[in-house]
Amino acid sequence: QKEVEQDPGPLSVPEGAIVSLNCTYSNSAFQYFMWYRQYSRKGPELLMYTYSSGNKEDGRFTAQVDKSSKYISLFIRDSQPSDSATYLCAMKRETSGSRLTFGEGTQLTVNP
Amino acid sequence: NAGVMQNPRHLVRRRGQEARLRCSPMKGHSHVYWYRQLPEEGLKFMVYLQKENIIDESGMPKERFSAEFPKEGPSILRIQQVVRGDSAAYFCASSRDRRETQYFGPGTRLLVL
Repeated sequence: QKEVEQDPGPLSVPEGAIVSLNCTYSNSAFQYFMWYRQYSRKGPELLMYTYSSGNKEDGRFTAQVDKSSKYISLFIRDSQPSDSATYLCAMKRETSGSRLTFGEGTQLTVNP
Repeated sequence: NAGVMQNPRHLVRRRGQEARLRCSPMKGHSHVYWYRQLPEEGLKFMVYLQKENIIDESGMPKERFSAEFPKEGPSILRIQQVVRGDSAAYFCASSRDRRETQYFGPGTRLLVL
């Protein structure tokens, strides 16, 4: 069983839609949670960084962490064609190094 | 403020040759991480280095792969005697310390013929 599960999609939505992206994980030691955006043939770009449970908002993006359910989400409001990319969730333990464990990534297309 | 730099961006090698991938971290960052992204798969951790020290190499294949981060100069990921299965995108990330955010470079795409 993978430590982090993420539906690879592809997910296709019309411009202006609210997008919901999700990851589940099995290891309760994960304390730090991140969302990265990766455009085709580019490196991952950090979007959101949260510690433990709760919500964090940044512009059109909202990240949610529910540690009791081992479930994290990224919401994109008023989605734009420029949001078309692969979205990767990533997690890190409090101790034992700094390695990030990634989900497989969800490919998102926002159609104009 | 330049981000993480990687070179070359594309590298073609024949089976049995050596591949050297270089990574210059962001200014002020002394922690470097290497990840590999195979086709249709997510990023997988390989190795974590701090200046002159390997901190965690638990994701590194036991043979043919090595990494270093010397006191001066970039971090190097070295793959000896490459095989077709080594074809992938190799990403480097850096951070100011082990607890802080990791910022990724653009990657090196290795193709083994």
